[in-house]
Amino acid sequence: QKEVEQNSGPLSVPEGAIASLNCTYSDRGSQSFFWYRQYSGKSPELIMFIYSNGDKEDGRFTAQLNKASQYVSLLIRDSQPSDSATYLCAVNINTGNQFYFGTGTSLTVIP
Amino acid sequence: DVKVTQSSRYLVKRTGEKVFLECVQDMDHENMFWYRQDPGLGLRLIYFSYDVKMKEKGDIPEGYSVSREKKERFSLILESASTNQTSMYLCASGLGQGKQYFGPGTRLTVT
Repeated sequence: QKEVEQNSGPLSVPEGAIASLNCTYSDRGSQSFFWYRQYSGKSPELIMFIYSNGDKEDGRFTAQLNKASQYVSLLIRDSQPSDSATYLCAVNINTGNQFYFGTGTSLTVIP
Repeated sequence: DVKVTQSSRYLVKRTGEKVFLECVQDMDHENMFWYRQDPGLGLRLIYFSYDVKMKEKGDIPEGYSVSREKKERFSLILESASTNQTSMYLCASGLGQGKQYFGPGTRLTVT
């Protein structure tokens, strides 16, 4: 079982809709959770992080964490074509400074 | 702004050559990481370092070594390059259990 799993997609949503990206993780000791955005040909860029159960909002982005279900999600409201990218979920496992990344979900926002 | 730079954006090497990839960060971060990214496999951790002269193996250290003589610089060494090491190599830096900041990446081709 992989430490971090994501649906690879592709996920397509119309402009203005809510995009929902999901991620599950296997280690119950995981403490920190991150979402990165990666445009084609570019390096990953951190867009959200969450440490506690519940929701965390930053502009059009909301990260949701449910440690009991070992589930973290990213919601993008009012999706824009510029949101079209691959979104990587990353988890800090409770064994030090090592991070595990999911393989990413490709999102396309259709104008 | 955090800045992570990598010595080359594109590199072409021959099988058996020794290859050096260098990464420099300007934020006094303790932790530095080397990943490779391949289609369908996502980001995989090769090595990380949490202090000068300290290093830890990641998931796929075979065929690689690292060097961290100064806090701001983390080098990845391919002792004898092979074609299966053709990949995108990404360096990142960060604080403990915190966010990671990625460099622009080096696309290495081994022929």
